[in-house]
Amino acid sequence: GENVEQHPSTLSVQEGDSAVIKCTYSDSASNYFPWYKQELGKGPQLIIDIRSNVGEKKDQRIAVTLNKTAKHFSLHITETQPEDSAVYFCASPNQAGTALIFGKGTTLSVSS
Amino acid sequence: DTGVSQDPRHKITKRGQNVTFRCDPISEHNRLYWYRQTLGQGPEFLTYFQNEAQLEKSRLLSDRFSAERPKGSFSTLEIQRTEQGDSAMYLCASSLDTGTQPQHFGDGTRLSIL
Repeated sequence: GENVEQHPSTLSVQEGDSAVIKCTYSDSASNYFPWYKQELGKGPQLIIDIRSNVGEKKDQRIAVTLNKTAKHFSLHITETQPEDSAVYFCASPNQAGTALIFGKGTTLSVSS
Repeated sequence: DTGVSQDPRHKITKRGQNVTFRCDPISEHNRLYWYRQTLGQGPEFLTYFQNEAQLEKSRLLSDRFSAERPKGSFSTLEIQRTEQGDSAMYLCASSLDTGTQPQHFGDGTRLSIL
């Protein structure tokens, strides 16, 4: 069935360190993998996404890598800052390609 | 770009009452989605519209829930005879309608059932 697993559930780093969050998905036909950042009291904000025809995408301090063979994708944040503290969600489309199936989230805490 | 707008931001009501939420999507987006998010979980899909047509509903959308998008612009989500288990954040998202497009979320309506 359709499933997205995300780990770790919590991650604490020092300011300036890197953070990595990993997700695995079950549907081998999935071709789109977004990452969202959610701050307290706000809705999820799309921060980066990747499609299955590329293996890596970067946007300043954030990057996403995709391994289609292993069916996993990862979010990498370099030079973390306190304002990166939030809950991060990975997602993948359902089989119909309409709704997104989300992981359970990773709470990232960056201490200065 | 004004983003996805949801109203109200918070709703507190007694068990058994009916509630209605509104979502205004990004203006050029033809697709509109409703999700529900409970504490400590990721958003869960409820239903999806392409213009005014409701094309998909999840099993989470019980008979007490109804959603409409009458003119293909804003949408409403109504919950009748609310129950304690309905307490959650109700999120709306919108996207363009060509292929798999990024979904952009509003800040949600937080529903609390007393």
